[in-house]
Amino acid sequence: AQSVAQPEDQVNVAEGNPLTVKCTYSVSGNPYLFWYVQYPNRGLQFLLKYITGDNLVKGSYGFEAEFNKSQTSFHLKKPSALVSDSALYFCAVASGGYNKLIFGAGTRLAVHP
Amino acid sequence: EAGVAQSPRYKIIEKRQSVAFWCNPISGHATLYWYQQILGQGPKLLIQFQNNGVVDDSQLPKDRFSAERLKGVDSTLKIQPAKLEDSAVYLCASSLIHNEQFFGPGTRLTVL
Repeated sequence: AQSVAQPEDQVNVAEGNPLTVKCTYSVSGNPYLFWYVQYPNRGLQFLLKYITGDNLVKGSYGFEAEFNKSQTSFHLKKPSALVSDSALYFCAVASGGYNKLIFGAGTRLAVHP
Repeated sequence: EAGVAQSPRYKIIEKRQSVAFWCNPISGHATLYWYQQILGQGPKLLIQFQNNGVVDDSQLPKDRFSAERLKGVDSTLKIQPAKLEDSAVYLCASSLIHNEQFFGPGTRLTVL
């Protein structure tokens, strides 16, 4: 069965510092991996995806993520955090296609001035 | 380009009442999804349509939940009768076939 784990309920980081939001997955077949961000009272916004190719993928708002097959991880990163990055971040996985997404429980990112 | 539209944004009902949510996907998106997001959890897929056909409804509680997409464009999700545990945000998403999903703002349902 497919599953996604986001081991941290909350990540705190100072503005200007690098940030990492962790995600590990379990899936049979080739994983399609996604990161979404959710601001209060808003729907989920697509940030980036990994389907195949280069293990480092770049997305919106300066975010990037690194796919690590041996560790079954897909951590979200940003070199320099902004206060406006504070939001709820979801990792999601699908097996071999764009269809059924399984989401993690989410990680709340708090960036402090 | 307009995004996914959902209405209402908020709904409060008593248990055992019925409720319906509406979704209008991004123009041209053949695939439409309904998710349930309970507070503190990630979204869970309830049903997926491709055009007006159901692709996956394995996690839809069919004794009380129903959904339709009659003309392959907009969709309605209905709950009848509602239970306390149905309190959640109901998210609609759409996508081109074999592409990432775009989400609407959601409908926050409170069942008292």
